[in-house]
Amino acid sequence: GENVEQHPSTLSVQEGDSAVIKCTYSDSASNYFPWYKQELGKRPQLIIDIRSNVGEKKDQRIAVTLNKTAKHFSLHITETQPEDSAVYFCAASRAIGNEKLTFGTGTRLTIIP
Amino acid sequence: GAVVSQHPSRVICKSGTSVKIECRSLDFQATTMFWYRQFPKQSLMLMATSNEGSKATYEQGVEKDKFLINHASLTLSTLTVTSAHPEDSSFYICSAIKGTQYFGPGTRLTVL
Repeated sequence: GENVEQHPSTLSVQEGDSAVIKCTYSDSASNYFPWYKQELGKRPQLIIDIRSNVGEKKDQRIAVTLNKTAKHFSLHITETQPEDSAVYFCAASRAIGNEKLTFGTGTRLTIIP
Repeated sequence: GAVVSQHPSRVICKSGTSVKIECRSLDFQATTMFWYRQFPKQSLMLMATSNEGSKATYEQGVEKDKFLINHASLTLSTLTVTSAHPEDSSFYICSAIKGTQYFGPGTRLTVL
């Protein structure tokens, strides 16, 4: 089955700086890669996703890049703000929505004011 | 968007009792729902895939007789933790599909 690794497990950045979280996956058939933000005790919230036919996607301060050959994808947050502090999870699946997601281990991001 | 609710949000029970958690898609129909479990400071682990009108598909290592799943309608799936023990204490989250997966708010189960 799919295995998703995520690094780093914790990340602290100064407010205004950029944060990068990286994930690798094992199943070459995976073609959908969402990123979730989870605050303590809350549900995961989808913040951005990318399909395998696209190499990069951007939404304001958030971007995701995908390298299918190397089987890795990354989340980039620019101009970080204190409200970006949360746990971020990457995930992978074989089809958007209809297939089960395999989650990475999570990254606790702390933005230092 | 799509709204998924869960009930209850918190439950405390004694060891040996059974607990039922409901997952509802409020503004859409979902033939497939997923149940996850999340231990403190850990990731979401898929327990099972709930299919409306048919048996659930359980992930390896998840006991189907302990975690009973019923998906009786297109808007409701239930997870029953039977004979709960302290090690079953966790955050249980469901999701439903509308294009992508939308997550419920989670249920925190504490077994004393």
